Amino acid sequence: QSALTQPRSVSGSPGQSVTISCTGTSSDVGGYNYVSWYQQHPGKAPKLMIYDVSKRPSGVPDRFSGSKSGNTASLTISGLQAEDEADYYCCSYAGSYIVVFGGGTKLTVL
Amino acid sequence: QITLKESGPTLVKPTQTLTLTCTFSGFSLSTSGVGVGWIRQPPGKALEWLALIYWNDDKRYSPSLKSRLTITKDTSKNQVVLTMTNMDPVDTATYYCAPILGGTYFDYWGQGTLVTVSS
Repeated sequence: QSALTQPRSVSGSPGQSVTISCTGTSSDVGGYNYVSWYQQHPGKAPKLMIYDVSKRPSGVPDRFSGSKSGNTASLTISGLQAEDEADYYCCSYAGSYIVVFGGGTKLTVL
Repeated sequence: QITLKESGPTLVKPTQTLTLTCTFSGFSLSTSGVGVGWIRQPPGKALEWLALIYWNDDKRYSPSLKSRLTITKDTSKNQVVLTMTNMDPVDTATYYCAPILGGTYFDYWGQGTLVTVSS
C-alpha cells in the first residue's frame, strides 16, 4: 500500500481554474469509485470537499468538482478565490476496508 | 452536530507506548456502517491513515504500522482508543480522529492533538 501520487504544488490566478491529479493503481483509485478530497488550511484540520469521486457535501461550493479516469482522479477548482489557497489531499478506498492518502498538493493563488 | 476531540499526552519518550482517546458526539458507533479512524500528520508533511474500527468491531490497520497499533472502542462512552507501541521521534505528529458515517470517506475531523516524541 503506497501513498497516492499528487503534484507537490499547483498555482493559479483568481478566477482561473486549476486541476490537481491523484494517481494510484488498479488496487485503489482505479478499482473503486471511492475517492475523496480534503482541503486543509495551515494549522487547521482537514475538511471533506469531494467524496465518491465527484459528489460534494452540503456547503461545499460547486466550484469544486471531482472526476476519475483509470487510475487517476482529479480535483478541479474553477473560479479560483484567495480562500482556496490551501493544501489538498486525495484519499482512496483500497479494498478490505483500508484507505490510502495522497502526498498532498499545495495550491497557491497568485 | 457532530464533534470529535482527541486527547492524550503531548510528550512521550522513545520506546514508550502512546495511548490516544477520541471522544465523539452526534453519532453512534453502534450504527451499522459507522466507523472511526485515526490519521496522523507529521509537521509539514502529508496525512497518513493509521487505523479504523467499525460498528461491528471490525478493525483495520495500516500495513506499514500494523504491528505497533491497536484500536478499540467503548460504545457506551462514545470513545475510540488508539495505542501505538515503541514510539520513535519520527512518530512526532498531529494525530486526528475522524468518523466514517456509512461511506468510505472521513466526514468530519477532530481538531487534532500534537504528540512529540523526545527524550
